[in-house]
Amino acid sequence: AQSVTQPDIHITVSEGASLELRCNYSYGATPYLFWYVQSPGQGLQLLLKYFSGDTLVQGIKGFEAEFKRSQSSFNLRKPSVHWSDAAEYFCAVRMDTGRRALTFGSGTRLQVQP
Amino acid sequence: NAGVTQTPKFQVLKTGQSMTLQCAQDMNHEYMSWYRQDPGMGLRLIHYSVGAGITDQGEVPNGYNVSRSTTEDFPLRLLSAAPSQTSVYFCASRLDRASYEQYFGPGTRLTVT
Repeated sequence: AQSVTQPDIHITVSEGASLELRCNYSYGATPYLFWYVQSPGQGLQLLLKYFSGDTLVQGIKGFEAEFKRSQSSFNLRKPSVHWSDAAEYFCAVRMDTGRRALTFGSGTRLQVQP
Repeated sequence: NAGVTQTPKFQVLKTGQSMTLQCAQDMNHEYMSWYRQDPGMGLRLIHYSVGAGITDQGEVPNGYNVSRSTTEDFPLRLLSAAPSQTSVYFCASRLDRASYEQYFGPGTRLTVT
């Protein structure tokens, strides 16, 4: 069965600093990979997705993620964090067969210090 | 378009009570799903539907029923609420099984005492 691991429960960075959120997945084939963001009290918003092709994908709000097959990773990055980026971030994987539902990681809560 | 809407936003139930969480979408999406979100566990799939009249179980279906009589609506029923069902519930939809963009509703926060 597919699974997603986000090893960092909580991360604090200073405004203007760079950010990397880690995501590792377990899946037999090349998965479809996603990053979502959830602001407090809100639903989930899609930041970016990877299906195939270029392993570096660009998303909204200045985020990017790199797919590394050899490491089974799909880490999210941002070169300069803004206070409005404080939120919870979820990595998700989807199979291309069966129910094709998203499997989510447990999330990483990002706090931004002024 | 209103997107994916959920009602109510908040609900408190006593153990053993029943209720229905409503979900509707106006995007003519075939695929709809229900997730629950619990601290430290991300979102887990409860039930999903690939079209009107077709539903199936997800990871954590026990204690929940669904039906899909129309394309627009996908209600989630708790027949006999238990404290373990205290959670935030999200409904989501996408165009069809193969499509990638999934839209989430704002969530329903349910407390069972």
